[in-house]
Amino acid sequence: DTAVSQTPKYLVTQMGNDKSIKCEQNLGHDTMYWYKQDSKKFLKIMFSYNNKELIINETVPNRFSPKSPDKAHLNLHINSLELGDSAVYFCASSLDRASDTQYFGPGTRLTVL
Amino acid sequence: QQQVKQSPQSLIVQKGGIPIINCAYENTAFDYFPWYQQFPGKGPALLIAIRPDVSEKKEGRFTISFNKSAKQFSLHIMDSQPGDSATYFCAASAMVADKLIFGTGTRLQVFP
Repeated sequence: DTAVSQTPKYLVTQMGNDKSIKCEQNLGHDTMYWYKQDSKKFLKIMFSYNNKELIINETVPNRFSPKSPDKAHLNLHINSLELGDSAVYFCASSLDRASDTQYFGPGTRLTVL
Repeated sequence: QQQVKQSPQSLIVQKGGIPIINCAYENTAFDYFPWYQQFPGKGPALLIAIRPDVSEKKEGRFTISFNKSAKQFSLHIMDSQPGDSATYFCAASAMVADKLIFGTGTRLQVFP
């Protein structure tokens, strides 16, 4: 039973396309996150949602739009993909906003050609 | 002020050695300092964490040393094993900020 799952695992697409990454957690957590890990392995938070409400938006271009249909799901939609968007995107969850431990998904490797 | 500086970038040790990874921060509001371990192709996973009210925390072969006055903390891996080969990230957060700030990562290789 995977705690935090992401689909797809790999995504290869052309510049200018629009794509989505899906994330689901079966831990019953209230808080979910999206992180971007670049080619140098630097891990940076992009968004955080708590009970479907956006609580952190780290100056990410508005081509990136997270959507949380329910507290178990947090999807990431990216419009007009650029070369610089190539990275590994990780979804994570935590019990609630006050909880310290974050549980990460396996990542989605996005390659923009 | 929001940065967490991590060193070294990479580390190679022989089995049984004690690799040490160091992190430093500036934001005195940080009150939680975890270490995450990431294997190739996987997401980071929490390894061990410490709060500023203690100077050391040990879990199995992993120990965090914390120096509040110097604003530094480090991870020591005792009796390192080839299976410990991974990338290690330190991180820090402040309760009010709701987010983890990660260090730049250290790639550890343990040779038999």
